[in-house]
Amino acid sequence: EPEVTQTPSHQVTQMGQEVILRCVPISNHLYFYWYRQILGQKVEFLVSFYNNEISEKSEIFDDQFSVERPDGSNFTLKIRSTKLEDSAMYFCASQRDAEGYTFGSGTRLTVV
Amino acid sequence: TQLLEQSPQFLSIQEGENLTVYCNSSSVFSSLQWYRQEPGEGPVLLVTVVTGGEVKKLKRLTFQFGDARKDSSLHITAAQPGDTGLYLCAGATDSWGKLQFGAGTQVVVTP
Repeated sequence: EPEVTQTPSHQVTQMGQEVILRCVPISNHLYFYWYRQILGQKVEFLVSFYNNEISEKSEIFDDQFSVERPDGSNFTLKIRSTKLEDSAMYFCASQRDAEGYTFGSGTRLTVV
Repeated sequence: TQLLEQSPQFLSIQEGENLTVYCNSSSVFSSLQWYRQEPGEGPVLLVTVVTGGEVKKLKRLTFQFGDARKDSSLHITAAQPGDTGLYLCAGATDSWGKLQFGAGTQVVVTP
């Protein structure tokens, strides 16, 4: 069964530091997403990416966030200057067709 | 923002009993997806329903999409301890694009 792979599984960073969360989507998928889940809260949409550009982003996805697909396989989420409230599980997902997504196992980001 | 309300928030039952989880919205969705999420893991897709009135079965799990495509239900027959988990519904307004998630229903099945 093809998987979406996320690294690292856990990242601890100091407030104000930059972090890059990495994802390898399933190879023949076309749409890519980042979601986050703050502890005890709903899974929230951050951004969708198609054809090498952002197709939609949420209000959460402000100027401190950016996404890239630098080499055709990796899909990264960068948070430029982390804040305490950025602490959450970050999930990458990819989609081939309308039948549904495949999510990765997530990166737990802890900002101290 | 289209809201998806799941009920109940928590359900504890004995092995062998049946249970139903509901997902309701005032908005119309093009599709409704059900996921199961284990602690510290990403959601795992169980099923996608796209047609109003559609019923899909996955072993002991039955999923239904409301006629108006605003609500859905998940029914588990003869629940087993392995069914324990967080069940999430998520709606999409386009075939491709973001999902709006419900808050989830935590199901606990005791032997």
